[in-house]
Amino acid sequence: EPEVTQTPSHQVTQMGQEVILRCVPISNHLYFYWYRQILGQKVEFLVSFYNNEISEKSEIFDDQFSVERPDGSNFTLKIRSTKLEDSAMYFCASSVFVGQSVYEQYFGPGTRLTVT
Amino acid sequence: RKEVEQDPGPFNVPEGATVAFNCTYSNSASQSFFWYRQDCRKEPKLLMSVYSSGNEDGRFTAQLNRASQYISLLIRDSKLSDSATYLCVVNERASGTYKYIFGTGTRLKVLA
Repeated sequence: EPEVTQTPSHQVTQMGQEVILRCVPISNHLYFYWYRQILGQKVEFLVSFYNNEISEKSEIFDDQFSVERPDGSNFTLKIRSTKLEDSAMYFCASSVFVGQSVYEQYFGPGTRLTVT
Repeated sequence: RKEVEQDPGPFNVPEGATVAFNCTYSNSASQSFFWYRQDCRKEPKLLMSVYSSGNEDGRFTAQLNRASQYISLLIRDSKLSDSATYLCVVNERASGTYKYIFGTGTRLKVLA
């Protein structure tokens, strides 16, 4: 069964450093997403991406964040200058259009980012 | 009012019990609705989409009430493996794009 993959599974970085989190969405999916989940809290939407551009972003997704689809398969999230509060699990998800309005998302296993 | 609200639980139920979770959403223009389950420190996994007519998948039944803006999930004959956090997810349409809003989740513990 096709699945979303993410690398690395765990990233430790120092405050102020740049990190790139990588995702390979399911191959025939058209929409891609990043979410984060701080330990013990709910899953929070960061950004959605369609047709090589951002289609929606949340207030969390500020200028420190960027996304890219550098080739036909990878989808990346870059955090330019990490802060302690960026420590969280980051999930990538993808979805394919299903009917008129149902978009079932499938999540990758996540990257645990620890900022020290 | 929170965009998507769930009772955090935990719900502790014996094996074989029937348990129901509710979820309310604030945006009446919400388009699609889903239940996901999340095991500790794992990714959310799609359990089922929720259709206007209600739908059933084995021991799981989902209902949608658009007038009252809530969705429900019923689990019959609970198994130990059903222990997890159940996330209500609402898809809102805004300016031609879609945004998914997650509830905080309801924790279920099925006891032997």
